[in-house]
Amino acid sequence: DQQVKQNSPSLSVQEGRISILNCDYTNSMFDYFLWYKKYPAEGPTFLISISSIKDKNEDGRFTVFLNKSAKHLSLHIVPSQPGDSAVYFCAASVKAAGNKLTFGGGTRVLVKP
Amino acid sequence: DAGITQSPRHKVTETGTPVTLRCHQTENHRYMYWYRQDPGHGLRLIHYSYGVKDTDKGEVSDGYSVSRSKTEDFLLTLESATSSQTSVYFCAISGGKGSYNEQFFGPGTRLTVL
Repeated sequence: DQQVKQNSPSLSVQEGRISILNCDYTNSMFDYFLWYKKYPAEGPTFLISISSIKDKNEDGRFTVFLNKSAKHLSLHIVPSQPGDSAVYFCAASVKAAGNKLTFGGGTRVLVKP
Repeated sequence: DAGITQSPRHKVTETGTPVTLRCHQTENHRYMYWYRQDPGHGLRLIHYSYGVKDTDKGEVSDGYSVSRSKTEDFLLTLESATSSQTSVYFCAISGGKGSYNEQFFGPGTRLTVL
């Protein structure tokens, strides 16, 4: 039973346009959400996070939106750049439970020049 | 980048042999984790540690054991490797000042069990 799901395995977007990545979760105990970016043969790199007490967090070109009632979060990348081509994972945790992360299956993003 | 190293980076072994993977951190973070990454599954937690000699199981712990005798080192052992344990293994750390809830990952170890 996957508690965190990324239903789109891949996404292709033109350079300069917006990339929107989606993530759904089922466990209402999750109170902290993160996005990671991963290049081949490297470890995941932390991108941005959001606490369940917020509905939006922004960091430069990256914005994460959280809709608790729908158990849905999304990552917006504006504008998309060729260097953003990677696999993106969303993850969720219960902060009081040792920060253990539950990951989605990932979305592969290709930004075309 | 957080100071996390993993060794070895690549390993090929045979079914039934013991294997130990090492994670070393220089950040003095309290928590350490071992994940495996498989196609379609994202990353799944194997074991984690919340302090020296304090460890607990994750989602996919069967066939794995861990030890943490020092803050900086977290070892993952496959007592008798099986082909289903062929995967990429990532170590992560968290609990640092200013970024308590974020995990930072090492470069990974690619393990092939023949």
